[in-house]
Amino acid sequence: DAKTTQPPSMDCAEGRAANLPCNHSTISGNEYVYWYRQIHSQGPQYIIHGLKNNETNEMASLIITEDRKSSTLILPHATLRDTAVYYCIVRLSDGGATNKLIFGTGTLLAVQP
Amino acid sequence: GAGVSQSPRYKVAKRGQDVALRCDPISGHVSLFWYQQALGQGPEFLTYFQNEAQLDKSGLPSDRFFAERPEGSVSTLKIQRTQQEDSAVYLCASSLGQGANSPLHFGNGTRLTVT
Repeated sequence: DAKTTQPPSMDCAEGRAANLPCNHSTISGNEYVYWYRQIHSQGPQYIIHGLKNNETNEMASLIITEDRKSSTLILPHATLRDTAVYYCIVRLSDGGATNKLIFGTGTLLAVQP
Repeated sequence: GAGVSQSPRYKVAKRGQDVALRCDPISGHVSLFWYQQALGQGPEFLTYFQNEAQLDKSGLPSDRFFAERPEGSVSTLKIQRTQQEDSAVYLCASSLGQGANSPLHFGNGTRLTVT
């Protein structure tokens, strides 16, 4: 599976958009980009995923570059409750047995009041 | 709606004891995953079930770790003769389908402390 690179930490002001970058330069054509977040003492929470096109849901937007080598997760109006570790993961889709998620170390987003 | 439920939420075991951790996946979810998360680290894959079949156990750290899902629903992760290095949060996740387009939904984990 392709590896991802994320900054270890970021700050964001409450009410502002949080833009979390992720590099996945070795991604292959059949790998999805997934984003999860983990708040202290909870399990990872699914946010959004995409293959080629940009995606939006009630939580966030996912912008994938045309060459698919990087992506950005956008939280449009960050609140204090968005403070968490955010994981960017590429997930292989090959009809294989597992299609497991492989987590890295993520980005600690601190939303400041 | 009901999410993935794990029990117990906390477990303290003395070194050498056996433990059993339970996972109730979201109803109807075909795929079930177990992960281990050490303090300050990201979750690490342990094993995967598709219905009752254990298709991947490549992440189980030793033969002291055993998982089952006999009826394709509830799953149990068993650790025999626990060691201090087994102290971690054990996370269970389920997904509706078996493909990579089907998101995993995680429970809040069982925190195991081996003394």
